[in-house]
Amino acid sequence: NAGVTQTPKFRVLKTGQSMTLLCAQDMNHEYMYWYRQDPGMGLRLIHYSVGEGTTAKGEVPDGYNVSRLKKQNFLLGLESAAPSQTSVYFCAGSDWREGTQYFGPGTRLLVL
Amino acid sequence: TQLLEQSPQFLSIQEGENLTVYCNSSSVFSSLQWYRQEPGEGPVLLVTVVTGGEVKKLKRLTFQFGDARKDSSLHITAAQPGDTGLYLCAVAGGTSYGKLTFGQGTILTVHP
Repeated sequence: NAGVTQTPKFRVLKTGQSMTLLCAQDMNHEYMYWYRQDPGMGLRLIHYSVGEGTTAKGEVPDGYNVSRLKKQNFLLGLESAAPSQTSVYFCAGSDWREGTQYFGPGTRLLVL
Repeated sequence: TQLLEQSPQFLSIQEGENLTVYCNSSSVFSSLQWYRQEPGEGPVLLVTVVTGGEVKKLKRLTFQFGDARKDSSLHITAAQPGDTGLYLCAVAGGTSYGKLTFGQGTILTVHP
């Protein structure tokens, strides 16, 4: 099993550009999450999903959109990137809402 | 105000020393998890504690959940360079119902 994978690993964007980060999992997780990690801030929840076709806002949702059309994929979109969105983005999956979370390796995003 | 306060934020020690990391809150939680994150990777679960006063051991790591389920500590005995990483606590329940909330983390560096 590959576990939780993220694409791409690294990306540089210019302000105003758009992009989509892909998270894929083969562990049959019902729940999936997108976090951003910034120095001294820990992991902050952007959006999450409690099942295929569902999404919900987390702690810092502004500027991001998500979709979960298939159970195994959770997409994070930035419609108009801003320098404040420079961060490391982690996707995670879990089998229940408060259970162990299995993280992907992260995507480093730099917005110039 | 952070829901979880981890201390210290940074810890730099020599191989063989002991250390303790703390995770504190004023809220009560149903469970608490500790994760370790190595550079360039996603966090990986170390342990989950669910009972007030619970103590769990994982080789040289000892985890304790406070009696009132508001705080936790991680003690490492005879630290080794391989223990270097970011240690994160995460809580479920209380004001984090339905999801995990992460602390800001403790960056541990163990020098040979």
